[in-house]
Amino acid sequence: GIQVEQSPPDLILQEGANSTLRCNFSDSVNNLQWFHQNPWGQLINLFYIPSGTKQNGRLSATTVATERYSLLYISSSQTTDSGVYFCAAGGILTGGGNKLTFGTGTQLKVEL
Amino acid sequence: SQTIHQWPATLVQPVGSPLSLECTVEGTSNPNLYWYRQAAGRGLQLLFYSVGIGQISSEVPQNLSASRPQDRQFILSSKKLLLSDSGFYLCAWSGFRELFFGEGSRLTVL
Repeated sequence: GIQVEQSPPDLILQEGANSTLRCNFSDSVNNLQWFHQNPWGQLINLFYIPSGTKQNGRLSATTVATERYSLLYISSSQTTDSGVYFCAAGGILTGGGNKLTFGTGTQLKVEL
Repeated sequence: SQTIHQWPATLVQPVGSPLSLECTVEGTSNPNLYWYRQAAGRGLQLLFYSVGIGQISSEVPQNLSASRPQDRQFILSSKKLLLSDSGFYLCAWSGFRELFFGEGSRLTVL
């Protein structure tokens, strides 16, 4: 099956700094999503981005499908950005579902 | 808008006891439904998925089973829990594109 690798595994930032998180995947995909897991464990959808570039406020993401990687950019980081960021990639299941394989995440801590 | 709920949020169970976690989706019909587990550490593993009532696919052999008795209801069960079943269980739904997750159920088996 598909392999998903994320880097860095851990990241500590000062508030206001920018960062780039990377996700590499081993095969072509129909689906790629970025999630933020908050301190209570809930997974919050950030981007659905199997290709191209999207922006939402201070966050943006780019997926280069032909080179099998995706990047998540966080600008002007805030303490509320802390948590674990997951990349998940995969394809379409028979019957129409999505089979997503998750990376092991990037643990981000933003300090004052 | 669509919402997904799962319960209970927290559960502490003895080894050998049964388990039932329930998940329901509102605001959509014929969703694809999923159970994921997040063990100690960070990775999420797909356990089961369902594309319709009564249609369950298992991704990994284990002590758990899943059922979909109604269109928007997905249940994760075990007849006898093992210590290794401890973890954070997440239900999710999708249409043709994005997955959306519920709040999660934290299971501790003692």
